[in-house]
Amino acid sequence: QALLTQPASLSASPGASASLTCTLRSGMNVGTYRIYWYQQKPGSPPQFLLRYKSDSDNQRGSGVPGRFSGSKDASANAGILVISGLQPEDEADYYCMVWHNSSLYVFGSGTKVTVL
Amino acid sequence: QVRLQESGPGLVKPSETVTLTCTVSGDSIANYYWTWIRQPPGKGLEWIALVHHGGSTNCNPSLKSRVTISVDPSKNHFSLKLASVTPADTAVYFCARSRSSTVTFPFSWGPGTLITVAS
Repeated sequence: QALLTQPASLSASPGASASLTCTLRSGMNVGTYRIYWYQQKPGSPPQFLLRYKSDSDNQRGSGVPGRFSGSKDASANAGILVISGLQPEDEADYYCMVWHNSSLYVFGSGTKVTVL
Repeated sequence: QVRLQESGPGLVKPSETVTLTCTVSGDSIANYYWTWIRQPPGKGLEWIALVHHGGSTNCNPSLKSRVTISVDPSKNHFSLKLASVTPADTAVYFCARSRSSTVTFPFSWGPGTLITVAS
């Protein structure tokens, strides 16, 4: 079982809100992790969006719009990236990442977001 | 503003060792953490290793036996050596810098360089 599981794809309409989940493997407690989120567009390197551990421990990347935000669902053991007011330029792949066992970073498999 | 540029041989034969270099401009290599990440064509991201300018390192256990990561402050660059490559190592290799000296996560990324392993 992968450490981080992301849905392969998500489609939504312009102006809608999209919630991208990053589910941690059983035995990992999402409450103890900072969840990092990256956006990658075709042919470009990933861009850091934000990191989220709690409402008091989170940080957005430079120039990242406020409509990108993070949260957690403890009951689902998942980190969540919320994109509010989806825009066509938000069409991209989104990756979550955590620092695991105090020794390595691990990426999720990524979610491809399509803005219909 | 920091700029990172990866460089490498492009094409490597199986079983060889590939060396990649990330040249840093616009800032000193000191006081940051430097990371290598790779992405096979059409696939997701895989974290490889990170190094602090002082020399401390962390490495993905799945690659640890084949990876050497190092930093050269005199040249303001850092490097990755990957030994005994196979076609499964074909990927775009990215280098990245941390946001500050107190955090390690990759923040600023280079454009990436494609390494193809083939005979």
